[in-house]
Amino acid sequence: EIQLLESGGGLVQPGGSLRLSCAASGFTFKSYWMNWVRQAPGKGLEWVAAIKEDGSDRKYADSVKGRFFISRDNTKNSMDLQMNSLRVDDTAFYYCTREAHVQGPVRPFDPWGQGTLVTVSS
Amino acid sequence: DIVMTQSPLSLPVTPGEPASISCRSSQSLLHSNGYIYLDWYLQKPGRSPQLLIFLGSNRASGVPDRFSGSGSGTDYTLKISRVEAEDAGVYYCMQALQVPRTFGQGTKLEIK
Repeated sequence: EIQLLESGGGLVQPGGSLRLSCAASGFTFKSYWMNWVRQAPGKGLEWVAAIKEDGSDRKYADSVKGRFFISRDNTKNSMDLQMNSLRVDDTAFYYCTREAHVQGPVRPFDPWGQGTLVTVSS
Repeated sequence: DIVMTQSPLSLPVTPGEPASISCRSSQSLLHSNGYIYLDWYLQKPGRSPQLLIFLGSNRASGVPDRFSGSGSGTDYTLKISRVEAEDAGVYYCMQALQVPRTFGQGTKLEIK
């Protein structure tokens, strides 16, 4: 069974840092782009960051660029999101998701982890 | 960034009745390779999102055939032929043509 399990969420003060992790199992992790998507409580979905199969390419949403850093360890089947200079509006559930190989170059997000809640508050 | 606009934002439906959700993109999602980079996701209450439709009209594995996706260019539609109680939740369209991937605001389907 394919599984993605996030961890590392919690309460942090504005300006603080937090590191999220995503543990993958049930598939060949090193063969897939991986992403983080977040959802503020009661709000919609916002793509945050993506990392290439071998970690050689990274992409970020403008809202987190320069503050967040995405990384992966293919020997441990894991992906991290280092979040620095956190702001109140970074409060959200953070989901780990895989870009699935479904047809040709198309890569929808499937599956999604259960999410981990990050709360930025003083 | 490509802006995705869904309508309606709220959709009350009686079980057994059909339902339709519209998604418009600010630019065409048809790539030069011929693929449509439009996905649909469902987030059931208290759960993480799940893939329903990819390539605009292809059902993901395990998705019932009462769900169908259609559209081209900038206009897309998700249809449920006969709504069931388990279909309740928030439906999102997402464009995968460009980075950043962007989502519609979500349509909350409520079972009457």
